[in-house]
Amino acid sequence: GQQVQQSPASLVLQEGENAELQCNFSSTATRLQWFYQRPGGSLVSLLSNPSGTKHTGRLTSTTVTKERRGSLHISSSQITDSGTYLCAIGGTGSKLSFGKGAKLTVSP
Amino acid sequence: DAGVTQTPRHEVAEKGQTIILKCEPVSGHNDLFWYRQTKIQGLELLSYFRSKSLMEDGGAFKDRFKAEMLNSSFSTLKIQPTEPKDSAVYLCASSQQGNTGQLYFGEGSKLTVL
Repeated sequence: GQQVQQSPASLVLQEGENAELQCNFSSTATRLQWFYQRPGGSLVSLLSNPSGTKHTGRLTSTTVTKERRGSLHISSSQITDSGTYLCAIGGTGSKLSFGKGAKLTVSP
Repeated sequence: DAGVTQTPRHEVAEKGQTIILKCEPVSGHNDLFWYRQTKIQGLELLSYFRSKSLMEDGGAFKDRFKAEMLNSSFSTLKIQPTEPKDSAVYLCASSQQGNTGQLYFGEGSKLTVL
């Protein structure tokens, strides 16, 4: 099955710094999606980006499908960005395989 | 529109008990997923339904885990008998059919097995 590796596993930043999260996957995929999860909370979809670069607010997702990798850039991080960011990979259909997540802590 | 609804939010069970977790998907969604989330393993797929038909039943979980979808708006996950290693958050998610459908998650059911 699809294997999804995320790095780093955790990241600590000061408010205002940028974050770069990486996602690598083992098999061909037609969809890469980023989710956000607050401690004890549910998963919320941030961006779905099958290829190329996509922006929304302070988030930029870049996916290079041929190289089986993607990244999520968070600019000017805020304390409220703290939480876990999960990368999910899908093929045909809506089933997704998830990485273990990257825990982001933003301090004042 | 209501999102994905899961009940109960918390469940404490003794080893050997049977527990049933419930999920109501977003109205109109054809695909329904059950995932288990732990700190060590992350999210693991337990079951996947499309239009009430079971499409995938996680191999490692077939033994004591049984998911059912009795109608398009209700699904259950039964764990029988429970073991302490089953302690985890169980997440239900739904999506419209197809690979462009956004996946919507419920708040999860946190299970603790003593």
